[in-house]
Amino acid sequence: NAGVMQNPRHLVRRRGQEARLRCSPMKGHSHVYWYRQLPEEGLKFMVYLQKENIIDESGMPKERFSAEFPKEGPSILRIQQVVRGDSAAYFCASSPGQGAGGKNTGELFFGEGSRLTVL
Amino acid sequence: GQSLEQPSEVTAVEGAIVQINCTYQTSGFYGLSWYQQHDGGAPTFLSYNALDGLEETGRFSSFLSRSDSYGYLLLQELQMKDSASYFCAASSGGSYIPTFGRGTSLIVHP
Repeated sequence: NAGVMQNPRHLVRRRGQEARLRCSPMKGHSHVYWYRQLPEEGLKFMVYLQKENIIDESGMPKERFSAEFPKEGPSILRIQQVVRGDSAAYFCASSPGQGAGGKNTGELFFGEGSRLTVL
Repeated sequence: GQSLEQPSEVTAVEGAIVQINCTYQTSGFYGLSWYQQHDGGAPTFLSYNALDGLEETGRFSSFLSRSDSYGYLLLQELQMKDSASYFCAASSGGSYIPTFGRGTSLIVHP
């Protein structure tokens, strides 16, 4: 499957636990974006990464949330000490170049999302 | 800040034409994208406008007016499978990161 792969698809955590969400971009893509979606709402930007670099994390809460995209392996979104308000769908998207499409086509390729439920 | 406005819901009948509008307020605007999402699944890209005018891709067309900070998605010959949420997204800033609207739920009736 050459698409964006996210896992786990569903994750249940109790308050105070840690959640780790993984994203493998499409083959050949070096740019990764994380978005959060609440029911009946749009996708809210969290962080934009390239290999080994965080380019823009303006949408990510300063505390408890972190993201990385190592040289080898998937991108990881980590949420420490989860609270009920963290319950949401977290989508990862990739592109071959900067911004919305390597040739500025506006296209991001999304994964199926990881649905986090905090009890 | 950046914001996009689009209707929350639109209904239409099979075979009809429907237009979903989007207005945006953003600094450093670069282009407007449209995405489709079925039942909370992976959003899929439909179209992108960086220049004023109409872009046509099969049954779907998208329009942009930069001077009016306005765009729309036009869906023709509606089919039941077109029932989904549609999001406009404005790319802006040095990194062209797309900011999404809240989405429009399109319901197609037989």
